[in-house]
Parts: sequence; C-alpha cells; structure tokens
Amino acid sequence: SQQGEEDPQALSIQEGENATMNCSYKTSINNLQWYRQNSGRGLVHLILIRSNEREKHSGRLRVTLDTSKKSSSLLITASRAADTASYFCATANDYKLSFGAGTTVTVRA
Amino acid sequence: EPEVTQTPSHQVTQMGQEVILRCVPISNHLYFYWYRQILGQKVEFLVSFYNNEISEKSEIFDDQFSVERPDGSNFTLKIRSTKLEDSAMYFCASSEQGSSTDTQYFGPGTRLTVL
Repeated sequence: SQQGEEDPQALSIQEGENATMNCSYKTSINNLQWYRQNSGRGLVHLILIRSNEREKHSGRLRVTLDTSKKSSSLLITASRAADTASYFCATANDYKLSFGAGTTVTVRA
Repeated sequence: EPEVTQTPSHQVTQMGQEVILRCVPISNHLYFYWYRQILGQKVEFLVSFYNNEISEKSEIFDDQFSVERPDGSNFTLKIRSTKLEDSAMYFCASSEQGSSTDTQYFGPGTRLTVL
C-alpha cells in the first residue's frame, strides 16, 4: 500500500506553540497533500506538494517532502485554538488519494 | 469560493434498503470521486469518474455500488442493498483535472447510518 502514515497519532500543545507532524509512505508518488478535518466534518485541503518540490509554504503552514526517505512533514506555526483538528496526509497516484490515519492536534488556550 | 455540496447531511436507513447519496461538484471540474470513512478509521477511496465512466475503483466498490452523473450538475452514489458495515461518512470530491498533480476538493460528507 502507498498509504501515508502520520506520526504522532496525537499532539497536545499550548496556543502559540508550533505543531509538527510527520507522514511516511511506501511507494513513489506524484504529489502529497495535507488535509484538515474538524470533528465530524468534511476534509479541508491545506496544501499540495509535488514530488519535485522539497518545501512549500502557505500562511502559517510549512510542508517539506523528502522523496528519498518517503516522508513529509507539516509544521503549523503560532498555533491557535481554531487549529484543533485532525490532520491527514494523502498520497496521490493515478486518480485516487490514499490517506493515513491522521494526527489529532489539540491546541490548549 | 466554489465548493462541493452534498445531500443529505445524515441518512438513516434499514438494512437491505437502497440509498442514493447526492453531490454537486464544483462547476468547472471534470473529475469526480467518492470516498468513505468508517468511524475511527482512515478515509478510503471508493471510485473516480470522468466523462461518464468509472476511471478507477477500489475493492470496496462492488456490485452493490454504482455511480451516475444524471445531469450536468449532480453526481450520485447508489448503494443497492445496504449492509450494517456500510455505515460510514461518505465524502464526494472533485478536481479540475484528473492528473495526480491536481487538488481534490471535498464536500462536507453524508453520514450514513444503517440499522
């Protein structure tokens, strides 16, 4: 399976701190995407990084991709209570996305 | 900002009944997808659809499932005879292109409960 696997499974941080989560996958990919899901809600697309890119920024988000290690990381800087959610990486190949189990992030006020 | 919409938000049905889940993809998108998420588990790919044909489907997408684009805006997932294990959140997604470099945008989901 080429599914991404996130690490850690859960993360609890204080508001203002940075949150870092990692994703590992098994096979070659065309791109890797990160999504956020608030409890019981839909998936919100955060950022897409292509296989020929190493780093990408979007607002307070920073994503890295290391294809030699088959891993990616998502950094959320200066976290806010509204960042409390589950974060998923998804690897893209052909027409489908393969999701990991996610990292649940809790930001304490 | 355009978004994918899904109806209903919650569907309760009896085992063995047929259900149709509806989606309106983003208007200029050409590729459509269904995924599901059983409570506490990963989001799983079901099927992708382009030009009125299935592009790819997973092992989950057996003969009990079908998809259709009945008009220019709707995209539906039908489960012919629901089972208890079909209880899950079903997400529709769409993308402008089908290449794997393209972002898929997800709807809010339909929670299906099979009793």
